Amino acid sequence: GQNIDQPTEMTATEGAIVQINCTYQTSGFNGLFWYQQHAGEAPTFLSYNVLDGLEEKGRFSSFLSRSKGYSYLLLKELQMKDSASYLCAVGSGNTPLVFGKGTRLSVIA
Amino acid sequence: EAGVAQSPRYKIIEKRQSVAFWCNPISGHATLYWYQQILGQGPKLLIQFQNNGVVDDSQLPKDRFSAERLKGVDSTLKIQPAKLEDSAVYLCASSAGGPLLTGELFFGEGSRLTVL
Repeated sequence: GQNIDQPTEMTATEGAIVQINCTYQTSGFNGLFWYQQHAGEAPTFLSYNVLDGLEEKGRFSSFLSRSKGYSYLLLKELQMKDSASYLCAVGSGNTPLVFGKGTRLSVIA
Repeated sequence: EAGVAQSPRYKIIEKRQSVAFWCNPISGHATLYWYQQILGQGPKLLIQFQNNGVVDDSQLPKDRFSAERLKGVDSTLKIQPAKLEDSAVYLCASSAGGPLLTGELFFGEGSRLTVL
């Protein structure tokens, strides 16, 4: 089975940087995904890591350490519209993505 | 490019009634998923189809839930009879990759079910 752990809630200030951590335990690791989900909307894809290291995409970056079973999503220059839930998901073996419970981020002025 | 379409967006029923949800994936996507998302939690997989075959339905409560994907395109998810704990958003997603290839998922807007 898989176990994915991420903080339930975080609060950060507009313009600041926030890091959302995700730890996982799985076998046959294929990759780690981050999705963004605004309240009442569907999840949308943000990033995908399959190798160790940092993947940068504009204001968002995602890091992976396979040996530690650890990833983080880094959001820079926070904007109010970044208030959402951020879902960490793991792909392993021949199973579909398994999602964590999500981290609800509130960006305040 | 049209996204994943789902209907209805909202449904309210009483316990023990039945309900059906419909999903039309992105054109050409062979893999289709149904996820259940309870408020405050992440999506939980119910069933995965590859074309019109079931790949994984290990977490589908088969005594009350059923799903089909005739002709390998549209899919329906049915709940009969519904229980209070089935209140959730039912998300349909599709991907271009096969079951052994974990690819990006494209989600529909979901069908929100309330069971009274």
